[in-house]
Amino acid sequence: SQQGEEDPQALSIQEGENATMNCSYKTSINNLQWYRQNSGRGLVHLILIRSNEREKHSGRLRVTLDTSKKSSSLLITASRAADTASYFCATDEGGSYIPTFGRGTSLIVHP
Amino acid sequence: GAVVSQHPSWVICKSGTSVKIECRSLDFQATTMFWYRQFPKQSLMLMATSNEGSKATYEQGVEKDKFLINHASLTLSTLTVTSAHPEDSSFYICSARKASGSDEQFFGPGTRLTVL
Repeated sequence: SQQGEEDPQALSIQEGENATMNCSYKTSINNLQWYRQNSGRGLVHLILIRSNEREKHSGRLRVTLDTSKKSSSLLITASRAADTASYFCATDEGGSYIPTFGRGTSLIVHP
Repeated sequence: GAVVSQHPSWVICKSGTSVKIECRSLDFQATTMFWYRQFPKQSLMLMATSNEGSKATYEQGVEKDKFLINHASLTLSTLTVTSAHPEDSSFYICSARKASGSDEQFFGPGTRLTVL
C-alpha cells in the first residue's frame, strides 16, 4: 500500500526558479526519505529526515518535516535543467523500516 | 560508498520463459534486500523483502510461486520471474540495506523486462 502521497503530480518551471514538492502520509513514521529518479533509471537517495528532526539541508536541497501535519516538503533552490526527474518520498509505515513510496512528482526544468 | 548493481540491465524474452535478475551489493554486506516493481509513470511497489538465509516475505497480491526470490549470500539476491507473460513486463528495482543496521536503502539501477 502507498503511504506517502506527493503533490503536485507534475511541475514545470524555468531554470533558476525554486521547486517545491510536498508529501503527505497517514501513519506514524520513524523517518521519511526523498529520492530522485531519472527516466528509466534507478533511484538516487537524496535526504533522510528522522521523525525528531524538523529541517535538513543538502546543497540546494532543503527538506522539512511536520509530524503534526504528517507532511514533508522538498525544496530545490536555483533549479537547473539537470534537476529534471521524478521525485519520490518514502516513509516507513508504523516503524517497519521498509520504505513505502508515493506516486512521485515529475519535475521538468526548462533551460 | 554503497553500490548496488543489477544484472541484466534489460531483457526481452518470449512469453512462457523464465527470467532471472540478480541484485548485488558490491562494497557492503546486506542482510536484507528488497524487490520493487515499477510500471510506467507509476510509483515503486514493494514486491518482497528478502533476508539472507531465510525465505522471502511477499507483499499481498504478489505470487511467491511466480516470483521466486533467493538470497543465498550477504551480497546477492536473485529474482526469477517464472513463466513470464506480457503483463509481467515492468521495471524491476532492488535495494539493499547494510548489515550494520542503517535505515538507508541503496538502490540498484533497475532491470527493464519486456515479455513478448
